[in-house]
Amino acid sequence: QQQVKQSPQSLIVQKGGISIINCAYENTAFDYFPWYQQFPGKGPALLIAIRPDVSEKKEGRFTISFNKSAKQFSLHIMDSQPGDSATYFCAARRGSTLGRLYFGRGTQLTVWP
Amino acid sequence: GAGVSQSPRYKVAKRGQDVALRCDPISGHVSLFWYQQALGQGPEFLTYFQNEAQLDKSGLPSDRFFAERPEGSVSTLKIQRTQQEDSAVYLCASSYEGANTGELFFGEGSRLTVL
Repeated sequence: QQQVKQSPQSLIVQKGGISIINCAYENTAFDYFPWYQQFPGKGPALLIAIRPDVSEKKEGRFTISFNKSAKQFSLHIMDSQPGDSATYFCAARRGSTLGRLYFGRGTQLTVWP
Repeated sequence: GAGVSQSPRYKVAKRGQDVALRCDPISGHVSLFWYQQALGQGPEFLTYFQNEAQLDKSGLPSDRFFAERPEGSVSTLKIQRTQQEDSAVYLCASSYEGANTGELFFGEGSRLTVL
């Protein structure tokens, strides 16, 4: 059973546009929600992360919106650039389960000029 | 080193062969993780070490999979009698702080193809 459900599977956005990727979870014990970016042939790299005590976190062009009651969180990429083209994974972790991250299935983002 | 180093980057094995994948974490990182990433999927947790202690191996798919980190630094993931369904990228990640708070730094992975 997929602990974290991610959509869409693929996304095509024009340069300068907003990319939005959504994730949902069921386990209310999750208390850490990171987003990872992965380029072909590379390992995932942490992009931004949030804890459930805040509803939004912004770092540069990247923003996480978190809705605790709906058990949903999303990644917004503002002013999307061709260099943002990659696969994005949301993930979640329970504080009681040291280290184990549950990943979504990923969203392949293509930003075309 | 500058980052998490994994070797080999690519491995082709015949079904039934044993393979060993190596991970050299970032120096000083206490926690080490192995994940399996099938084509087009997100990484799936395999096992976790804190120093030399294997604290969680609940993600290992069968008893053919074995991981060790005897001196609390380099780790080896061993797969015995490989099967075609073992074909995947095996990712290693390390973390400096306790795994609850630390960012995971991933290596580039070892791509295993079982024929």
